[in-house]
Amino acid sequence: AQKITQTQPGMFVQEKEAVTLDCTYDTSDPSYGLFWYKQPSSGEMIFLIYQGSYDQQNATEGRYSLNFQKARKSANLVISASQLGDSAMYFCAMREGADTGFQKLVFGTGTRLLVSP
Amino acid sequence: GAGVSQSPSNKVTEKGKDVELRCDPISGHTALYWYRQSLGQGLEFLIYFQGNSAPDKSGLPSDRFSAERTGGSVSTLTIQRTQQEDSAVYLCASSLEAPTEAFFGQGTRLTVV
Repeated sequence: AQKITQTQPGMFVQEKEAVTLDCTYDTSDPSYGLFWYKQPSSGEMIFLIYQGSYDQQNATEGRYSLNFQKARKSANLVISASQLGDSAMYFCAMREGADTGFQKLVFGTGTRLLVSP
Repeated sequence: GAGVSQSPSNKVTEKGKDVELRCDPISGHTALYWYRQSLGQGLEFLIYFQGNSAPDKSGLPSDRFSAERTGGSVSTLTIQRTQQEDSAVYLCASSLEAPTEAFFGQGTRLTVV
């Protein structure tokens, strides 16, 4: 079974608007971490934001926020006030086992975001 | 070094040859990962090293692929008898044994001709 599911292969947004990139996950481990990475056309992997399974509040980092719905097992990334430079591939990832010993970092298939002027 | 370093950055090899890809993780990072990314695709997990524990090799696609990590630091991914379908970018990442992000290298672009 897929551990991380990103159902949107591509998304379009106009500059200055907000966009939500979906991510659902599957785990029976009560302790895990969720991550979002950005991969521009240059190929580098850029860490954006982290959410721990025990965190009470949704994570925020500047224009990025993570809409964490634990009961639904979703961890959607919200980008506010989109900029042209946000055009990139976005990957959701999970790492299980923070209490018992960390397991490998597993990635979703990604969502390609295109920001238009 | 300041970040994860991978070498070479590009490698062109003939089908059937063996190749070695190197990864120098961030000093002090106990976790090290190898991923493969084909053009326009996601990250395919290959292998995960965590401290002195046995590595998680569950992502290696065939017995032509192997990896080792010496002294808990540098890692080498070896692909024997390369095939054209092995052409991809091979990414290495390292992290602390903590709920923090993994840092990625720039990758090695492997082309098998």
